[in-house]
Amino acid sequence: EADIYQTPRYLVIGTGKKITLECSQTMGHDKMYWYQQDPGMELHLIHYSYGVNSTEKGDLSSESTVSRIRTEHFPLTLESARPSHTSQYLCASSEGRSVQYFGAGTRLSVL
Amino acid sequence: GEDVEQSLFLSVREGDSSVINCTYTDSSSTYLYWYKQEPGAGLQLLTYIFSNMDMKQDQRLTVLLNKKDKHLSLRIADTQTGDSAIYFCAETGGYGGATNKLIFGTGTLLAVQP
Repeated sequence: EADIYQTPRYLVIGTGKKITLECSQTMGHDKMYWYQQDPGMELHLIHYSYGVNSTEKGDLSSESTVSRIRTEHFPLTLESARPSHTSQYLCASSEGRSVQYFGAGTRLSVL
Repeated sequence: GEDVEQSLFLSVREGDSSVINCTYTDSSSTYLYWYKQEPGAGLQLLTYIFSNMDMKQDQRLTVLLNKKDKHLSLRIADTQTGDSAIYFCAETGGYGGATNKLIFGTGTLLAVQP
């Protein structure tokens, strides 16, 4: 059982609001990831981190930003939410190049 | 670039075996995974196989890897209605090796009929 947690599970918010999606893991994993899953079910990497103070952009361009100040915490922020940001956001972590474990996801709807 | 492909839909009767197939293009993949996603939920790791293995069995699940054809399959024996979900094939490509990023297939929706 993976110990990786995402909050909130569901979020409905108006256009222009600033939001932060939380992701925490208690396994001490060095690598963490954010994937975006669009309604067509495909998942794409939008951000990743090798460790504290390391953040990199993934394959899919995203207007979101991330930070990694603590090993266990990898929040994702949208400064000004738009309807095009409506999606499911999945956080994952791994120890080095080993198996990635996923959180339950945050389903975001921007009106 | 790296690509992973799956069929979109599979329907089986309860008690039958299900076989979900996946093809990938990156010959330097290190790990290949099967994840399960139930409605409204995140991804649950089902099983994975190292690229130097041909087969892995775990209770009702059997994974077969054909490296020559870059083909991965997941067989679920005695399929139950609780197995109804979307199944994602994924690989950590050679290019993605340093980042360990996952390249996902589109997912296969498995529908189990009672």
